[in-house]
Amino acid sequence: GNSVTQMEGPVTLSEEAFLTINCTYTATGYPSLFWYVQYPGEGLQLLLKATKADDKGSNKGFEATYRKETTSFHLEKGSVQVSDSAVYFCALSPQLAGNQFYFGTGTSLTVIP
Amino acid sequence: EPEVTQTPSHQVTQMGQEVILRCVPISNHLYFYWYRQILGQKVEFLVSFYNNEISEKSEIFDDQFSVERPDGSNFTLKIRSTKLEDSAMYFCASSFGGGNQPQHFGDGTRLSIL
Repeated sequence: GNSVTQMEGPVTLSEEAFLTINCTYTATGYPSLFWYVQYPGEGLQLLLKATKADDKGSNKGFEATYRKETTSFHLEKGSVQVSDSAVYFCALSPQLAGNQFYFGTGTSLTVIP
Repeated sequence: EPEVTQTPSHQVTQMGQEVILRCVPISNHLYFYWYRQILGQKVEFLVSFYNNEISEKSEIFDDQFSVERPDGSNFTLKIRSTKLEDSAMYFCASSFGGGNQPQHFGDGTRLSIL
C-alpha cells in the first residue's frame, strides 16, 4: 500500500541552525512527493515537490531530494529563521492510484531566537 | 495569488445534527477534494470530485457523507447525522489536474460535535 512516515516532533532549534526533517515512504508505482507547511491558524501550503527519482525540489531555502533507493524525501534547510516555525507535512501522490494524497503525521518545528 | 476559501472557520454542532461545510476552490481548477485531520492524527483523504461526480473516496466517506457542487463556484461537504468522532479539522483542496498535480488547500473548518 501507500504510506508516509515522518520524523516525530516537536523539533526545537535555535535561529540559524541546520534543519532536517526525515520522511520515508512506501508506494506502488512511481509516486510524486511533496512537502507542505502549515503556519499557525492557516491551511496547508505547498512548499516544494519532486515528481521523479533524483529530482530536487527547492523553495525559500528548503530542499528535498527524491531518493528512490532509500524511499526517502528528507526536508533540509541550512539556516532556519524564527519565521520558519510551523508544522511540516510530507505527502505522496501515487501515480497510478488516482488523485488522493497520503500525508505523514506532520512535524512541528519551533525556532527560537 | 488565488486561494481556496472555506467557511465557516469553526462550526459547533450537536450530535445527530446535519452540517454543511463550504468551500470555494480556485476558479480554473477542475479537481476538488476533502480531507480531515482529527487532532493529533494524520491528514486523511475523504473524497475527490471531478466533472460533477465523485472520482475517488475513502472508507471514511460512508453514507453519512455527501459532496456537491451546487453552482460554478462552491463545493460542499455534508455530514447527515454527525457523531462525536466526526470532530476534526476539515480541509478542502483543489487542483488544476489530477494525479501528481499539487493540491492547493484552504485554511480548514474546525468542526466540533457536542
